[in-house]
Amino acid sequence: QQQVKQSPQSLIVQKGGISIINCAYENTAFDYFPWYQQFPGKGPALLIAIRPDVSEKKEGRFTISFNKSAKQFSLHIMDSQPGDSATYFCAASLRGNQFYFGTGTSLTVIP
Amino acid sequence: DGGITQSPKYLFRKEGQNVTLSCEQNLNHDAMYWYRQDPGQGLRLIYYSQIVNDFQKGDIAEGYSVSREKKESFPLTVTSAQKNPTAFYLCASGRYADTQYFGPGTRLTVL
Repeated sequence: QQQVKQSPQSLIVQKGGISIINCAYENTAFDYFPWYQQFPGKGPALLIAIRPDVSEKKEGRFTISFNKSAKQFSLHIMDSQPGDSATYFCAASLRGNQFYFGTGTSLTVIP
Repeated sequence: DGGITQSPKYLFRKEGQNVTLSCEQNLNHDAMYWYRQDPGQGLRLIYYSQIVNDFQKGDIAEGYSVSREKKESFPLTVTSAQKNPTAFYLCASGRYADTQYFGPGTRLTVL
């Protein structure tokens, strides 16, 4: 059973546009929600993370929106750039014991 | 990639052969993890360890074995019992109830 469902599978955005990736989770006990960015042939790198006591967290052009009642969270990339082209993974964890990952979104930002 | 190293970067295995993937971290993290990544399937947990000399099976542990004799090291052995081992293997480490940091990965190919 997929604990975290991620959509879309792929996304194409114009340079300067907004990229939005969505995730939904099942277990209401999850208490930590990170997003990772992965370039081809590399390991995922932590991008931004949120805990369920806040509804939004912003770091530069990256924002996480969190909806606890809907059990959903999303990543917004403002002013998307070609260098943002990568695969993005959402994840959820319970006290850091295990992390459950979404299936990934391949983002392409076209000039 | 931080202070997590994985070796080798590429590994080739013959049928019926056991191979060991190395993972070392100098971040003083208690927890270490092994994931397998296949196209379109995200990251799947193989094994994890939260303390030296103790480890737990993840979702796809069959055909794999690990050891945790030192805090800094968490090697993964892919045994001949793993029928489809060709994949990208990622090691991660983290503090309790905190995020995970990934190594650069090892790409294993069965010849």
